[in-house]
Amino acid sequence: EPEVTQTPSHQVTQMGQEVILRCVPISNHLYFYWYRQILGQKVEFLVSFYNNEISEKSEIFDDQFSVERPDGSNFTLKIRSTKLEDSAMYFCASGEEGMETQYFGPGTRLLVL
Amino acid sequence: QKEVEQNSGPLSVPEGAIASLNCTYSDRGSQSFFWYRQYSGKSPELIMSIYSNGDKEDGRFTAQLNKASQYVSLLIRDSQPSDSANYLCAVTPYGNNRLAFGKGNQVVVIP
Repeated sequence: EPEVTQTPSHQVTQMGQEVILRCVPISNHLYFYWYRQILGQKVEFLVSFYNNEISEKSEIFDDQFSVERPDGSNFTLKIRSTKLEDSAMYFCASGEEGMETQYFGPGTRLLVL
Repeated sequence: QKEVEQNSGPLSVPEGAIASLNCTYSDRGSQSFFWYRQYSGKSPELIMSIYSNGDKEDGRFTAQLNKASQYVSLLIRDSQPSDSANYLCAVTPYGNNRLAFGKGNQVVVIP
């Protein structure tokens, strides 16, 4: 069964460093999303991406964040200058055209020191 | 007002019993409703989607939607220890394609 994959599974970085989280969505899906979950808290929406552009973003997704689909398979989230409060689990999700169901990848656990 | 609320504390049920979970949402225009299961340290896993009022059954799971009262519920029949997880209610607000999640209901099935 097709699934969303994410790399790396864990990332430790120093405050102020740039990180890039990578995702490979399900191949025939056209909608891509990033969510995050701080430990013990709810899953929060960051950004959605369709047709090579951001379709919606939350207040969390400020100028420090960016997304890119560099090729036909990868979808990336970049955090330019990480802060301690960026420590969280980051989930990528994808969905088919015309369907609202979203399928989640296994996540990347980011720890900012 | 929170977009999606799941107010119940941890739910302990004996193996074989029915677990009942509830969720309310604030956006009356919401169209799509989902239940995800999340094991500790893992990603959300889709269990059910429901789009119209009434019940929808899938195996041991039944989702119920009442748009007039703005609530969604999930019943787990014949609960198994493997059902022990955090159950997340998620809603697609009107005009959006993002998911708004509740904090979840922790279910513990006792053998």
